[in-house]
Order: sequence, then C-alpha cells, then structure tokens
Amino acid sequence: GAVVSQHPSRVICKSGTSVKIECRSLDFQATTMFWYRQFPKKSLMLMATSNEGSKATYEQGVEKDKFLINHASLTLSTLTVTSAHPEDSSFYICSARVGQGIPLSYEQYFGPGTRLTVT
Amino acid sequence: SQELEQSPQSLIVQEGKNLTINCTSSKTLYGLYWYKQKYGEGLIFLMMLQKGGEEKSHEKITAKLDEKKQQSSLHITASQPSHAGIYLCGADIGSGGGADGLTFGKGTHLIIQP
Repeated sequence: GAVVSQHPSRVICKSGTSVKIECRSLDFQATTMFWYRQFPKKSLMLMATSNEGSKATYEQGVEKDKFLINHASLTLSTLTVTSAHPEDSSFYICSARVGQGIPLSYEQYFGPGTRLTVT
Repeated sequence: SQELEQSPQSLIVQEGKNLTINCTSSKTLYGLYWYKQKYGEGLIFLMMLQKGGEEKSHEKITAKLDEKKQQSSLHITASQPSHAGIYLCGADIGSGGGADGLTFGKGTHLIIQP
C-alpha cells in the first residue's frame, strides 16, 4: 500500500528557532498533500493544503508566515515552523492524496507524525 | 461547533464482545474515512466510504455509510486486544467530492478488557 514518511519523528527546539518537518510519499507521487495538527484530546485540525508547484492553501486562522509550506516535488512537502514558541508544541501529521478509479475517488494516506516540543 | 460528531468518546469492551462507533454530521459527507491511531502515532487507514448505503468490511471490522451520507458507523465483531486504540472518522464536508482536506471527529478511545 501507499506509504508516507515524516521526518523527524520527534524534535525539541528552543523558542525563537525554526523547525522543518518533511513529508514524503515513498512509493507514489502526490500532487496534493495536507498538513494537520493534533492537540491533546482533540481531533486533527487541517492546517493547509500543499500543492506541488504552487502556493499552499491555508485554513482560516492558520498563519501563513508562521507555518511555511513548500511542495518541492511530487514526493516531498515540507512544513517549516518559523520562530517557534511553546504554544506551537504539538503533533503534526501530513497526508498524501491519491486519486484512483473510475469514477475518480480519493484516498488519503497519513504519515506517522512529528512531535514538536518548543522549550 | 464540531462538524463531525463521534460517539462514544471512550469505550471499554470485554474481549470477544461486539461494539459500534458512530460518526455523524449535519452536512453531507463526501468521502468518509475511518482511521485507527495509537496515541502520539500516525493514522492507520481502515476504510473509505463514498456512496450512500455503502458498506465495507476488513477482517472483523465493518463500516457503513447511511443512505443520506450523513452518518457512518464502525462495527467490530468479537473484539480482540489488538483492536484497542483511538478510532477517528474523517470526512470531506465541503464540495470537493472527497478531494479536499478532511474534517475529523474527536475520536473514540477503545479499550479492550481481557
């Protein structure tokens, strides 16, 4: 099946620094990837849609300058948390969308997530 | 307000018993996904439902989407310890036809008692 990897799995950084998280589709190409954030005891919240070759689409309330997304290739999307603060500490998960079948339907495959802790 | 309601929030079931988890929306669901997650880990894809009335099964897990495409249920038969975890339903509740980012329920924490 489709496999999505994320790197790093865990990262601890100091307040004010930037952190980059990578999301890769390992055995398929994905023109669209999504970034989610999960808060403790809360559901996953969609942050943005990452489109290969174009700008990301951010959900309402998500700061574009804070969470920089770059979809550099059909297998790689990166999320950079700039000037991180303790409130940015969270579990970040990416997914890659795969379209298939006739009629076209979509499935999303999720990465294992990245635990970010900002001290 | 939560657009995708999951119930129950937590569930303790004796091993071998059946259980059902529900996912409800006031909006039409385009592409209803069921995932399993262990706390702090990634999501494992279970099933995806698109058509009203659709039902899919994988091993001892069956998921259904109602005719109106506003409610889905996940049923586990003869539960086992390996079924323990957090079950999340996610759906595209926009008009993207399943192509957009998903809205998730808060999850159901399932505990299996031996």
